[in-house]
Amino acid sequence: DGGITQSPKYLFRKEGQNVTLSCEQNLNHDAMYWYRQDPGQGLRLIYYSQIVNDFQKGDIAEGYSVSREKKESFPLTVTSAQKNPTAFYLCASSTPRGAPAKNIQYFGAGTRLSVL
Amino acid sequence: DQQVKQNSPSLSVQEGRISILNCDYTNSMFDYFLWYKKYPAEGPTFLISISSIKDKNEDGRFTVFLNKSAKHLSLHIVPSQPGDSAVYFCAASANDYKLSFGAGTTVTVRA
Repeated sequence: DGGITQSPKYLFRKEGQNVTLSCEQNLNHDAMYWYRQDPGQGLRLIYYSQIVNDFQKGDIAEGYSVSREKKESFPLTVTSAQKNPTAFYLCASSTPRGAPAKNIQYFGAGTRLSVL
Repeated sequence: DQQVKQNSPSLSVQEGRISILNCDYTNSMFDYFLWYKKYPAEGPTFLISISSIKDKNEDGRFTVFLNKSAKHLSLHIVPSQPGDSAVYFCAASANDYKLSFGAGTTVTVRA
């Protein structure tokens, strides 16, 4: 059945290490997003992509990188430049604005990243 | 600067009663509003939405009200059930792909 798959569910990063979080969707959505959630806070947008081979920075892009080589996939790399990476990371996708469902974003189950 | 604010971090309600969650926004360009529900360690799930051309949208036990002049929306859950215990996020969009989220309100439904 259709949905968004994030892996792994839990991830540990060592100092100075880059780690990549996977996000795959089979909903045929054009747009994909990465959010970060910290305790007691809302979701903050890291990066988003409206179409393959194109992506834009969100509100907190520093220390992160993304790629969008395929419509189904939008991996997020947490680089060593991100000094406070411990958080819950959520991937989402949506249909384009103007479609019947407007900009309803559908989320994966999340990846919890911790620093060793 | 947070453009969507949920000023009540938590709400406790008795089973069968009404839950009212509030959300305020500052960006007058927002034209589409959504509510999401989130359980711990899971992704948010879409609940209900409303366009700025409406002032009310209803779906079963969930009703969202929009007051554009006050830049305020609310979510009513009637009657509240134990399975409604979760974190509820308000979100808004301004004719683009991005959503701005509030900090969330944790609802606890007491038996």
